[in-house]
Amino acid sequence: DQQVKQNSPSLSVQEGRISILNCDYTNSMFDYFLWYKKYPAEGPTFLISISSIKDKNEDGRFTVFLNKSAKHLSLHIVPSQPGDSAVYFCAAPRGAGSYQLTFGKGTKLSVIP
Amino acid sequence: DAGVIQSPRHEVTEMGQEVTLRCKPISGHNSLFWYRQTMMRGLELLIYFNNNVPIDDSGMPEDRFSAKMPNASFSTLKIQPSEPRDSAVYFCASSARGNLGLTQYFGPGTRLLVL
Repeated sequence: DQQVKQNSPSLSVQEGRISILNCDYTNSMFDYFLWYKKYPAEGPTFLISISSIKDKNEDGRFTVFLNKSAKHLSLHIVPSQPGDSAVYFCAAPRGAGSYQLTFGKGTKLSVIP
Repeated sequence: DAGVIQSPRHEVTEMGQEVTLRCKPISGHNSLFWYRQTMMRGLELLIYFNNNVPIDDSGMPEDRFSAKMPNASFSTLKIQPSEPRDSAVYFCASSARGNLGLTQYFGPGTRLLVL
């Protein structure tokens, strides 16, 4: 039972445009969300996070938006660069106070020069 | 500062053989996680240690899988006997306590192929 779902396995975007990666979750008790980026032959690396008390968190070109009523979060990358081409995972702690994360299956982003 | 170190990076073995994957977490981190990544199931948590003690091993698929953490700087994941369906990328991750405790730092992974 996937509690964190990324329904788009892949996304292609032109360089300089906005990339929007989406994530849905089923557990309304989730109170913290993280995005990870993964290049081939490397482990996932932490990108950005958001607490459920916020609806937006920004870090440079990366912004995460959280819509709790819709149980939906999205990662915006503006402007997209070829180096952003990677697989992006969203994740959430399994429960309040848990250090264990449950991950979505990922979205492969390709930024076309 | 060295990140999470995993060895070997690649392992090819024959069905029935024992496989041992190794992990050195980031110094000072007291939580360690073993994950398996496959196309079908994505990233699955296998087992989680806190202060060298296994806390949750409900993700370990079968008794053929075992994990140990004899000290704060070393962990192993063993598969005995290995089967072709164990072929996957195995990641080790570590995290620290506190506000950043939810941020896990991953190693580069071990790509396992069981023939």
